[in-house]
Amino acid sequence: QSALTQPASVSGSPGQSITISCTGTSSDVGSYNLVSWYQQHPGKAPKLMIYEVSKRPSGVSNRFSGSKSGNTASLTISGLQAEDEADYYCCSYAGSRRVFGGGTKLTVL
Amino acid sequence: QITLKESGPTLVKPTQTLTLTCTFSGFSLSTSGVGVGWIRQPPGKALEWLALIYWDDDKRYSPSLKSRLTITKDTSKNQVVLTMTNMDPVDTATYYCAHDRGGWYRGYFDYWGQGTLVTVSS
Repeated sequence: QSALTQPASVSGSPGQSITISCTGTSSDVGSYNLVSWYQQHPGKAPKLMIYEVSKRPSGVSNRFSGSKSGNTASLTISGLQAEDEADYYCCSYAGSRRVFGGGTKLTVL
Repeated sequence: QITLKESGPTLVKPTQTLTLTCTFSGFSLSTSGVGVGWIRQPPGKALEWLALIYWDDDKRYSPSLKSRLTITKDTSKNQVVLTMTNMDPVDTATYYCAHDRGGWYRGYFDYWGQGTLVTVSS
């Protein structure tokens, strides 16, 4: 039972947009609109950024958006800021379990 | 304001049983749709979902760890307890508890505790 696949790292300059992918299978990401995304700064607890593929919790900047196509979900951050530098994890409902991605380290150049 | 805090031993020996307690405030585990989950993160590695318990005592476990895990709740104390048997050094990780909203079929973790580092070593 593998984790969802994310790129190990992505980078971008301030003001740019980046997209982090999260690839699963037809048993998880592909079958349910139940993907969430979490931001984690070093030494801190994860923070919910997106739920149910594209919904933003109250207080999360509208620079963060989510989408899904087939077995791949994506998190897009527009207008990149230094404070966005962190690890990002996707998570999907998968019937009998919840499964996280391997995490992506975002570097703001 | 929802808060959660994990507590338990920082060091356990191999083969021992780990017992972690999540003490929360700002919500009730008797409210429909509410759950509390456990997630762990080995040093420098990814998050891994372990278990969830809901307001109606529905319990869900990671299939790969199900035989070693037990999750229970004490609604009157606002606590959720996770036990993990037969601990091994590979179980060394920061263990988080989190508030789950929406139920098993819709849920997501919207509030997290600060985490507690558990080291397994003889």
